[in-house]
Amino acid sequence: QSALTQPASVSGSPGQSITISCIGTSSDVGGYNYVSWYQQHPGKAPKLMIYDVSNRPSGVSNRFSGSKSGNTASLTISGLQAEDEADYYCSSYTNSSTLVVFGGGTKLTVL
Amino acid sequence: QITLKESGPTLVKPTQTLTVTCTFSGFSLSTSGVAVGWIRQPPGKALEWLALIYWDDDKRYTPSLKTRLTVTKDTSKNQVVLTMTNMDPVDTATYYCAHRGVEVTEFDYWGQGTLVTVSS
Repeated sequence: QSALTQPASVSGSPGQSITISCIGTSSDVGGYNYVSWYQQHPGKAPKLMIYDVSNRPSGVSNRFSGSKSGNTASLTISGLQAEDEADYYCSSYTNSSTLVVFGGGTKLTVL
Repeated sequence: QITLKESGPTLVKPTQTLTVTCTFSGFSLSTSGVAVGWIRQPPGKALEWLALIYWDDDKRYTPSLKTRLTVTKDTSKNQVVLTMTNMDPVDTATYYCAHRGVEVTEFDYWGQGTLVTVSS
């Protein structure tokens, strides 16, 4: 069982917006602004999409945005495109001995 | 340009020790604040953080596997090595190494991963 809780799947039509939640605790998501999001296409390595809750690395589309409220972080993808279909994982720093925790992953289907 | 690549056996027997090497370029693990992490992913399952080694040789391990894991670095060769003892079929996974920049918490560059199957 993963330390961070994500919905197993979400879906949306091209052009729509979707939001993926990531629920943690005050020891990780809620306690620090160190949430990151990764996109993973089948058979590929994860790709960093968001870091420090809401920052985008260079080259990542501004259709991707992140936010946080309390112990819940969120990834929003606007203007859905077919290429966005992938698995998405959240991650957070934690003050426990685990240091790094991941969510269970969310499969995004673009209808 | 930062790149990382994992190498190692594709098949190990139960109880054997796994050694996976991460060879990287585009950064130095002697630069203050830099780290390399190991993350694994069983087929069809989620990512799991395993270990982290810092530029100053500080090492951190996931508690549940701490007794089985060792991570070392060879700065001159630009390599990081992960060793996992007493392998079990449940350890079958793709093993990734990833770069962590100066005083950040995210993994911004990842290797392609190497699939390790544990089976007799």
